[in-house]
Amino acid sequence: DIQMTQSPSSLSASVGDRVTITCRASQSIGSSLNWYQQKPGKAPKLLIYAASSLQSGVPLRFSGSGSGTDFTLTISSLQPEDFATYYCQQSDSIPYTFGQGTKLEIK
Amino acid sequence: EVQLVESGGGLVQPGGSLRLSCAASGFTFSSYWMHWVRQGPGKGLVWVSHINSDGSSTSYADSVKGRFTISRDNAKNTLYLQMNSLRAEDTAVYYCARDLWLQPTGWFDPWGQGTLVTVSS
Repeated sequence: DIQMTQSPSSLSASVGDRVTITCRASQSIGSSLNWYQQKPGKAPKLLIYAASSLQSGVPLRFSGSGSGTDFTLTISSLQPEDFATYYCQQSDSIPYTFGQGTKLEIK
Repeated sequence: EVQLVESGGGLVQPGGSLRLSCAASGFTFSSYWMHWVRQGPGKGLVWVSHINSDGSSTSYADSVKGRFTISRDNAKNTLYLQMNSLRAEDTAVYYCARDLWLQPTGWFDPWGQGTLVTVSS
């Protein structure tokens, strides 16, 4: 199975900050990397697919980059509604696997 | 509006069985691959299983293989997960999710609201 490792596991930031979350795959997955946002008690929401494609309706302050084994999710200017847990997920091969999550908290 | 609504969760004893359902609406259910993803209490997301659009092809995580069965009824726009020989470690919120596009991509959107399964004596 492909292991996905996110860093950091938690992050404190302020409204307006630029934030970057990284995700590393245990083997090359090309651009088969997706990002989800999950708020407490809610289902995850797809933000970015295929490493850098913004899902419809997702604000432009979210962006994704990377290929191979190293990927990043960037939020250019944090808004209050962005405080949540973020997960990366590889869709290169079955079983699909997720990172352990990055909890983004208000500083 | 595209919507997925899970049901069937509850408390079950170890070794017991449960069948989850996911009712789909707002899209052509029979055209999409569908998935189950679970999340243990305070834990991360784990992909469980998927099924192709006509139900002829399925895959499972090793942790549930041989115990869980995914199926679908395209006439009823409903996805199922039959869970047998349940263990304490199967305790989780179970989400159904649709593949984003018509071809299988492994991009999950949308998701249902989840249904809680608790395995305990």
